Amino acid sequence: GEDVEQSLFLSVREGDSSVINCTYTDSSSTYLYWYKQEPGAGLQLLTYIFSNMDMKQDQRLTVLLNKKDKHLSLRIADTQTGDSAIYFCAESPSSGYSTLTFGKGTMLLVSP
Amino acid sequence: KAGVTQTPRYLIKTRGQQVTLSCSPISGHRSVSWYQQTPGQGLQFLFEYFSETQRNKGNFPGRFSGRQFSNSRSEMNVSTLELGDSALYLCASSPSRGQGDTQYFGPGTRLTVL
Repeated sequence: GEDVEQSLFLSVREGDSSVINCTYTDSSSTYLYWYKQEPGAGLQLLTYIFSNMDMKQDQRLTVLLNKKDKHLSLRIADTQTGDSAIYFCAESPSSGYSTLTFGKGTMLLVSP
Repeated sequence: KAGVTQTPRYLIKTRGQQVTLSCSPISGHRSVSWYQQTPGQGLQFLFEYFSETQRNKGNFPGRFSGRQFSNSRSEMNVSTLELGDSALYLCASSPSRGQGDTQYFGPGTRLTVL
């Protein structure tokens, strides 16, 4: 079946880089997404990557995809306290259209 | 463009009651999906509607239902509420051009069942 796994917690200091990792199981996933959730809020789309890409950069965000290992990572450069939030990895399975399978989320805590 | 809006933002109900949540998608988006978020289970897909038809359904009991109107607005209904239905219910809309359609989420409705 489809499953997405993430580490639960990451703590970094302001100014450092953060790397959040994710593994997925559906090898036919076409798109993989990163969403951010702040306390009491909905999900904010950060970025996504198409499965035929290895890397995508968007300002401070870099997404790396290793399709062979089904591993996805999100790197946040120069992490700020405002980046503290829960980050969700999600895959778009081949079995459905607008259906996402989410990981449990990684809580990122950025300390000054 | 305005984002996805959900009403109400907060609800308190008691066991056995029913509840209706509303979602207005981004203008021009034809697909609306619903997700339940709980601390224990995380984000789980409920169902997806496109052109007033349910296109996909997650693994939830029949007490959870939904519908979509001709203007793409969607409602979800939960009947005979249970304590375990307490959750954040998130709605997402997408243009629905096919697989991998990017979904944009609303702020959610926080349902508390007492």
